[in-house]
This record gives sequence, structure tokens and C-alpha cells, in this order.
Amino acid sequence: AQSVTQPDIHITVSEGASLELRCNYSYGATPYLFWYVQSPGQGLQLLLKYFSGDTLVQGIKGFEAEFKRSQSSFNLRKPSVHWSDAAEYFCAVVSGTGTASKLTFGTGTRLQVTL
Amino acid sequence: SQTIHQWPATLVQPVGSPLSLECTVEGTSNPNLYWYRQAAGRGLQLLFYSVGIGQISSEVPQNLSASRPQDRQFILSSKKLLLSDSGFYLCAWRENEQFFGPGTRLTVL
Repeated sequence: AQSVTQPDIHITVSEGASLELRCNYSYGATPYLFWYVQSPGQGLQLLLKYFSGDTLVQGIKGFEAEFKRSQSSFNLRKPSVHWSDAAEYFCAVVSGTGTASKLTFGTGTRLQVTL
Repeated sequence: SQTIHQWPATLVQPVGSPLSLECTVEGTSNPNLYWYRQAAGRGLQLLFYSVGIGQISSEVPQNLSASRPQDRQFILSSKKLLLSDSGFYLCAWRENEQFFGPGTRLTVL
């Protein structure tokens, strides 16, 4: 079965520091991968996605992620974190095909930013 | 552009009372629609999805049900709420990527 693992439940970084959030997936075929961000009490906003092609994908808010098939990973990065980046981040993979396809989410990583 | 609405935004209900959460989508037709629940400190759990009017797939056995009476309307219901039904409920629709509504915070007391 498809699964997504986000090994870090909670991460704290200083404003201006670099950030990397880890995501590992388990999926037999070529995965479609996503990163979402959720501010407290809000819905989820798509940061970026990988379908195919260039394995380094750029997203909104200065985020990027790199797909590494050999490591089954899709880690999210940002070179310099801003206080407004404090939120919860979810990695997701599409499982299934056609109309039955759906997203499987990791359990999320909560990012705290210190000033 | 496509938008997704959920209401109410916040709801406090007693145990044993009924529930109806509504989700509507604008700007698209025949979308795949999804209901997720997010319990405190946990990830997103897919509850139901629908690929068309009247077509509902349930992902986990539970006290809740879903219906899709119209193409762009998706309703989450319960006849009798349990304490464990408390959580943050998110509706979503999907094409190549998935878009989420603002969510409903449900507290069952």
C-alpha cells in the first residue's frame, strides 16, 4: 500500500536559517508528489508538486523540493526561513489511477520559527 | 477560477445530536470531491470521496456518512455524533492537484 512518512513531527529553526523538511514515500509506480502548508485553523495550500521531468521543483513562497527516486524521498527546502513560514507542512502522494486516485498524506511536520 | 466553500466554519454540538456539513465548489464541473478529518496533532484522514453525483466511496468505517446530491455539492452527515467525531473537517476537490476548502472545526461535547 502507498504510504508517506514525515519523520520529523516538530522542527524549530531561527529566522533566516535554512530549512529542510523530510518526506519519504512508498509507491510502486512513478509517484505524483505534493507539499502542502497549513496555517493554524486554515485549510491546506499547495506549495509545489512533482509529476515528471526536472527533479528539482520550485514552488510558491520561495520553497523548492527535490525528487530522489533512489532514496524514495521528496524533501522540502527553503534557503532562508521567515517568521511567517511557521505552520504545519504535509507531504502527499497520489495513489491509485483514474477517477479512483486519491492523495495519501504524511502525518505532517510542525515548523516553529524563532526570532 | 475555482473556489471551494465550506460551512459552517465552526460548530459545537452535543453528543447524540445530528450533523450536516456542506461543501460546494464553483468554477468546475464533475469534480472529484473528498472529505478529510484532521484530529488534533494528527495528519489528514480521508473519510469519503466521490467521483460523481450519488457516487460515494467510504475509506474507513465510522459514524459518519456522505452524500452528493448535486454535481458541485458534497455533504457530510451523522445521525448521532460521538465525542470522537470532534476534529477539523476539510473538503477538497481535485483535478491534477488537490484544492482544499477552509475547513470546519467541529467540537462535540
